[in-house]
Amino acid sequence: QKEVEQDPGPLSVPEGAIVSLNCTYSNSAFQYFMWYRQYSRKGPELLMYTYSSGNKEDGRFTAQVDKSSKYISLFIRDSQPSDSATYLCAMGRYSSASKIIFGSGTRLSIRP
Amino acid sequence: DVKVTQSSRYLVKRTGEKVFLECVQDMDHENMFWYRQDPGLGLRLIYFSYDVKMKEKGDIPEGYSVSREKKERFSLILESASTNQTSMYLCASSPGQDTGELFFGEGSRLTVL
Repeated sequence: QKEVEQDPGPLSVPEGAIVSLNCTYSNSAFQYFMWYRQYSRKGPELLMYTYSSGNKEDGRFTAQVDKSSKYISLFIRDSQPSDSATYLCAMGRYSSASKIIFGSGTRLSIRP
Repeated sequence: DVKVTQSSRYLVKRTGEKVFLECVQDMDHENMFWYRQDPGLGLRLIYFSYDVKMKEKGDIPEGYSVSREKKERFSLILESASTNQTSMYLCASSPGQDTGELFFGEGSRLTVL
């Protein structure tokens, strides 16, 4: 079993829809959780960073962490074609930057 | 803005060739990393470095070596390229051990024939 599971998609939704991306994990020692966005032929860029259970909002993006269920989500409101990318969840422990575990990524396409 | 620059975006090499992938960061970050990215497997850590001349193996170091002679530069070396090393290689840096925030380069897509 992988430490982090992420549905690879692809996921295709119409512009303006709410998008929900999810990851599950098995290691309860993870202390912080991240979402990276990767455009085609580019490197990943950090989108959201959170370290506690609950919600964190940044503009149209909301990251949600449920440590009791070992489940994290990224919600995108009012999705735009420019949101079309691969979204990677990632998680790790403090003092162990080398031990960040990435999900395999979900490919998202927003149809105009 | 942090900039991580990978010198080669696309390379095509033959089996057995020695391959150098260069990475330079301009924000004085302590940590540098090399990952490879393959469909369905996500990002897997090859090597990382917390300081100049310091290196540690990641999850898949076999067939690779690294060099960090200067703080800003981290090189990945494939001593004898093989077809199973065809992949996207991503360099990243981060400012300290306690942060999970990685700044990635644009990637080097290597094809080994």
